[in-house]
Amino acid sequence: EAQVTQNPRYLITVTGKKLTVTCSQNMNHEYMSWYRQDPGLGLRQIYYSMNVEVTDKGDVPEGYKVSRKEKRNFPLILESPSPNQTSLYFCASSFGAGRWGGEDTEAFFGQGTRLTVV
Amino acid sequence: AQTVTQSQPEMSVQEAETVTLSCTYDTSENNYYLFWYKQPPSRQMILVIRQEAYKQQNATENRFSVNFQKAAKSFSLKISDSQLGDTAMYFCAFMKGQGGSEKLVFGKGTKLTVNP
Repeated sequence: EAQVTQNPRYLITVTGKKLTVTCSQNMNHEYMSWYRQDPGLGLRQIYYSMNVEVTDKGDVPEGYKVSRKEKRNFPLILESPSPNQTSLYFCASSFGAGRWGGEDTEAFFGQGTRLTVV
Repeated sequence: AQTVTQSQPEMSVQEAETVTLSCTYDTSENNYYLFWYKQPPSRQMILVIRQEAYKQQNATENRFSVNFQKAAKSFSLKISDSQLGDTAMYFCAFMKGQGGSEKLVFGKGTKLTVNP
C-alpha cells in the first residue's frame, strides 16, 4: 500500500529538549516536504527536499532542521523546541507536476504529528 | 508569490443538499494545478479533486465537482447530495506546473458541517 508514515502521532515535550519526527514513504517519490498546520493559518511549508542530499527552506523554517540521506526518509529535527512550535505537523511526498508534469499529480500526506511544547 | 484565499471560515448544510465552497488564488503562472483536500476529524489529509489549469473542462469526482474560472482565478468546490461523512475541514491548494517546485500553497480552510 502506498503510504507516508510519520512517527510519533502525538508528542508532548519540554522547552529545549531536542526531538525528531520521522517520515518515510514507500512510493519512490523524489520530492518530500514538511508542513505545519495552525488554526486560522492553514498549512505552511517548513522545509522541502527535491532529492537525496538536496534540501531547502520553505516559508517558515526557523527553529527546524531536516536531512535527506536516503530517498525514502525525511526526518524533521527540532534542536531546541519552544512553545511557539506547538502545532500539527505533516510530512508529504509527491512525484509529478513540478518537475515532470502528469495527470496523476498528487501529494500524499502522513497522518500528522500533534506536537505540544511546554 | 502565490496566494490562496478561502473566504468562508465555516459553513453548514443539511444532509442531501448541495453546498459550494469558494476559493480564489493569485498567480502570474500559466501552468499550474489546483486541489481540494479534505481533513476529517482523524486529521488525515485526503485529496478530493484536482484540476490542471490548461484543461478547460471542470473536474468531477462522483458527488464532488469544481467550477474553475481561470480568468477570474476562481476554483470553487461543489458537493452534491451532502452526507454526514462530508463533515470536515476543506483546504484549497495551488501548485506550480511543470518546471516549478512541488510546493503546495494552501488557503486557511473552510470548516464544513453537514447536519442530519
